[in-house]
Amino acid sequence: DAMVIQNPRYQVTQFGKPVTLSCSQTLNHNVMYWYQQKSSQAPKLLFHYYDKDFNNEADTPDNFQSRRPNTSFCFLDIRSPGLGDAAMYLCATSSRTGAYNEQFFGPGTRLTVL
Amino acid sequence: GQNIDQPTEMTATEGAIVQINCTYQTSGFNGLFWYQQHAGEAPTFLSYNVLDGLEEKGRFSSFLSRSKGYSYLLLKELQMKDSASYLCAVMDSNYQLIWGAGTKLIIKP
Repeated sequence: DAMVIQNPRYQVTQFGKPVTLSCSQTLNHNVMYWYQQKSSQAPKLLFHYYDKDFNNEADTPDNFQSRRPNTSFCFLDIRSPGLGDAAMYLCATSSRTGAYNEQFFGPGTRLTVL
Repeated sequence: GQNIDQPTEMTATEGAIVQINCTYQTSGFNGLFWYQQHAGEAPTFLSYNVLDGLEEKGRFSSFLSRSKGYSYLLLKELQMKDSASYLCAVMDSNYQLIWGAGTKLIIKP
């Protein structure tokens, strides 16, 4: 089945220790997104790629970086995680040529910062 | 600014009907989505409305009025597994999703 895969599902890191979250997709979608979601809050868009074009949301902290080496893979790097970065990180994809432009989500990575 | 409003929490009884409302103010409109999100899981797509009116999909229906900036999600014959958060999201003129904070739906036996 075509899908969006995120690894790891659960990540524990220490305050200030860099961490990388990964996302891959088999849907061949041209747009990929990274969201941060805290409990009982709306998902907050951090970045998105339209093909190789990188788009950084204005309020995304510099502590967050992203890479998309090819169509299928996307990475989220948190350079120096703080306690406030503990959240669920969601990767999503969409096809701008699709009927709905709906976003398909991966299962998420829950990040804990000790 | 851009804003999506929906109730924080609702409670309903198994077998009943519940309507979750959403109002929005966005820069541009390219459709409104409803997603379901179970605790600790990713959102899953439920419905999409871009024209005024009602879209029906089994036990779930979604309604849109663009002139009023209003949508609702109607869930019929509620089941315990419908306990989840329901997120309303509007696609703006840049094809970005503007998300509401979600409505937590609690189903009681």
